[in-house]
Amino acid sequence: GEDVEQSLFLSVREGDSSVINCTYTDSSSTYLYWYKQEPGAGLQLLTYIFSNMDMKQDQRLTVLLNKKDKHLSLRIADTQTGDSAIYFCAESISSGGYNKLIFGAGTRLAVHP
Amino acid sequence: DADVTQTPRNRITKTGKRIMLECSQTKGHDRMYWYRQDPGLGLRLIYYSFDVKDINKGEISDGYSVSRQAQAKFSLSLESAIPNQTALYFCATEAGGRSDTQYFGPGTRLTVL
Repeated sequence: GEDVEQSLFLSVREGDSSVINCTYTDSSSTYLYWYKQEPGAGLQLLTYIFSNMDMKQDQRLTVLLNKKDKHLSLRIADTQTGDSAIYFCAESISSGGYNKLIFGAGTRLAVHP
Repeated sequence: DADVTQTPRNRITKTGKRIMLECSQTKGHDRMYWYRQDPGLGLRLIYYSFDVKDINKGEISDGYSVSRQAQAKFSLSLESAIPNQTALYFCATEAGGRSDTQYFGPGTRLTVL
């Protein structure tokens, strides 16, 4: 089946690193995504990784992909209060000619002083 | 200006009323999607469209209908709203072809009393 799971809540201190984890079940996914949702706003694409990559770094963001374990993580270095949001993991699966996105339930990141 | 816009941003209505949610995009993308977001459930796909003449049901299409009036416009209708359709609704666009990335609008918060 198709399922994406994330822990629901993460609390970190300002300046520390945050690591948000995600597991998925469908090994045929082509891309895996991280979206950020701030209060009252839509989903903002943060970063994505192609399924044949192990790691992608983009400024403070590092994405790690372990295909064997079907595990994806997002590391935010030097976490700031502006990083407080809900982070959604999603996998893209080709299905019937379109790219189906399967979302996790989201991880709420709270950054405290 | 935002590439993907949704109107209205908030709507309160009563059971049995017909409601239309609008989505417009300036990204020039062929593919458009409607999702609903419920707390703890991530996003679920309602309908999607690859072009003006193409409409497809997603995983939770019952109680909804859509219209693709033009490449840039995709509207979602609730013919007779019911309380369990209270949710946050998102429109998304995708270029198609080799690109998998979906870009989301700011969302419409719908409350059905």
